[in-house]
Amino acid sequence: GENVEQHPSTLSVQEGDSAVIKCTYSDSASNYFPWYKQELGKRPQLIIDIRSNVGEKKDQRIAVTLNKTAKHFSLHITETQPEDSAVYFCAASGGNTPLVFGKGTRLSVIA
Amino acid sequence: DSGVTQTPKHLITATGQRVTLRCSPRSGDLSVYWYQQSLDQGLQFLIQYYNGEERAKGNILERFSAQQFPDLHSELNLSSLELGDSALYFCASDWVTDTQYFGPGTRLTVL
Repeated sequence: GENVEQHPSTLSVQEGDSAVIKCTYSDSASNYFPWYKQELGKRPQLIIDIRSNVGEKKDQRIAVTLNKTAKHFSLHITETQPEDSAVYFCAASGGNTPLVFGKGTRLSVIA
Repeated sequence: DSGVTQTPKHLITATGQRVTLRCSPRSGDLSVYWYQQSLDQGLQFLIQYYNGEERAKGNILERFSAQQFPDLHSELNLSSLELGDSALYFCASDWVTDTQYFGPGTRLTVL
């Protein structure tokens, strides 16, 4: 089955700097890669997703890149703000199938 | 608000007891997924239902069962509860697109 590895597990950045979180997946049949942000005790909230027919997607300060050949995808957050502090999860699936999640990255943005 | 609702928000019970968690999907979504999130753990897929039928099974214990009703709401039944079952239980729904939206979760505490 699918296995998703996520790095780093914790990340501290200064406010205004960029943050990068990387994930790798094992199943070449996976074609949908969402990223979720989760604040303590709250639901995972989708922040951006990418499908396998696209190499890069951007939404304001957030971007995701996908390298299908290498089976890895990354989340980039620019101009980080204190409210970006949360746990971020990457995931992979075949579409309308269960998500396989990475173990999460705890991002701390220091003001 | 994702449009996915879950009840109850909190549940405190004793070992050996049985509880039922309820989830209503977003309007138009036929598929419901259940995930378990233990303390400091990632999100683990339990089971998926599509239009009333079981579609996929993850690492769900035999003490746990689920069903999806004709109105598409789903219930997750947890029996013979153990201390280790304490966790956040999320449901998510999709189908119109393959984007899964999560409910607010039920926090289960087993004493």
